[in-house]
Amino acid sequence: GQQLNQSPQSMFIQEGEDVSMNCTSSSIFNTWLWYKQEPGEGPVLLIALYKAGELTSNGRLTAQFGITRKDSFLNISASIPSDVGIYFCAAPTNNNDMRFGAGTRLTVKP
Amino acid sequence: DVKVTQSSRYLVKRTGEKVFLECVQDMDHENMFWYRQDPGLGLRLIYFSYDVKMKEKGDIPEGYSVSREKKERFSLILESASTNQTSMYLCASRTPTVRNEKLFFGSGTQLSVL
Repeated sequence: GQQLNQSPQSMFIQEGEDVSMNCTSSSIFNTWLWYKQEPGEGPVLLIALYKAGELTSNGRLTAQFGITRKDSFLNISASIPSDVGIYFCAAPTNNNDMRFGAGTRLTVKP
Repeated sequence: DVKVTQSSRYLVKRTGEKVFLECVQDMDHENMFWYRQDPGLGLRLIYFSYDVKMKEKGDIPEGYSVSREKKERFSLILESASTNQTSMYLCASRTPTVRNEKLFFGSGTQLSVL
């Protein structure tokens, strides 16, 4: 099916370090999305990607839409404590719903 | 500011009870969704609704039903709650666009079934 395999499941890093996470699928998607969920809140959209090979930034966040359309990457540079949360990749399906990865839980030590 | 409101932040229910989770959005969105969130499993779609009185099963509809009588309100119903339905439930909405991407989420309802 249209599963999204997200890794790593969790990361414990020091403030100031860079972070990388990725999402892969056996299916092709036309859009890749990255959401962040802070404690006690629902996920919020960070970045949307619409074209294979596209690289998009939002402040210290950079995401790429894989050239095969089957994967995407999210990088966070110079992490800070408020980056803590769960990051989800997501993609709209042909059925018009939205599929999510299992999430990457990020912990940043000051 | 856009808002998706879930009626309860925390709920504790007993096995066998009928449970209603309510979600209201004030953005006149056509599409609404119910997800459950479990550690290590991410967000799994239970049901979604294209429009009023329309509903589609998601990946894990068993044990759940939904109601969409008005555009702004999407209710999730557990007919007979079971302990394996203890979870965080998230409601979301969007306006269908060409790129169809932006879901707006509520803050979630943490349901415990004892």
